[in-house]
Amino acid sequence: DAMVIQNPRYQVTQFGKPVTLSCSQTLNHNVMYWYQQKSSQAPKLLFHYYDKDFNNEADTPDNFQSRRPNTSFCFLDIRSPGLGDAAMYLCATSRRTGAKNIQYFGAGTRLSVL
Amino acid sequence: GESVGLHLPTLSVQEGDNSIINCAYSNSASDYFIWYKQESGKGPQFIIDIRSNMDKRQGQRVTVLLNKTVKHLSLQIAATQPGDSAVYFCAENIRQGAQKLVFGQGTRLTINP
Repeated sequence: DAMVIQNPRYQVTQFGKPVTLSCSQTLNHNVMYWYQQKSSQAPKLLFHYYDKDFNNEADTPDNFQSRRPNTSFCFLDIRSPGLGDAAMYLCATSRRTGAKNIQYFGAGTRLSVL
Repeated sequence: GESVGLHLPTLSVQEGDNSIINCAYSNSASDYFIWYKQESGKGPQFIIDIRSNMDKRQGQRVTVLLNKTVKHLSLQIAATQPGDSAVYFCAENIRQGAQKLVFGQGTRLTINP
């Protein structure tokens, strides 16, 4: 059974039209992450929540926002998608225990911008 | 700065042979490393991890080696199978305030029948 669930799997939006991607988890992990992954590249961390504490990466554009209303759900909002935002968006969770930081990923949402 | 990179972007091996995927990292303060496997259209899947105080760790058909002297990490897959075809990423755990993983470039492993 999937433990990190992303919806939808595929999302098509228009240039400049706001879009929201969803992630939910059944692991009760306290940390949730959003990554952007472009074709043939490594995942790039956008931001993460440690419980309710939001941590933004320095180079994440302001166009990207996130919400975590509760432990199980986290949303990625792209306020005005550009063509360069077309990518796979991955959600991951972890339960930080000491030095270990094993992150469990969802299947991703592939975003297309027309 | 921090970076994790791979020497070989693609690797092609014969089915049944052993595969070795390499990774170089630059942050000497990293305390933990992970290998992930990503199949087409899926999210990365955890394979094996290793703490910085170890130099070798074995799993089922996989072995990770860590050489801190030269900042090198490798993943060995024994008796490679068609299902091993994927992109493999190494990731380095760094602590700069918040703890986070930095992913390497990735190596695409293809299996020849």
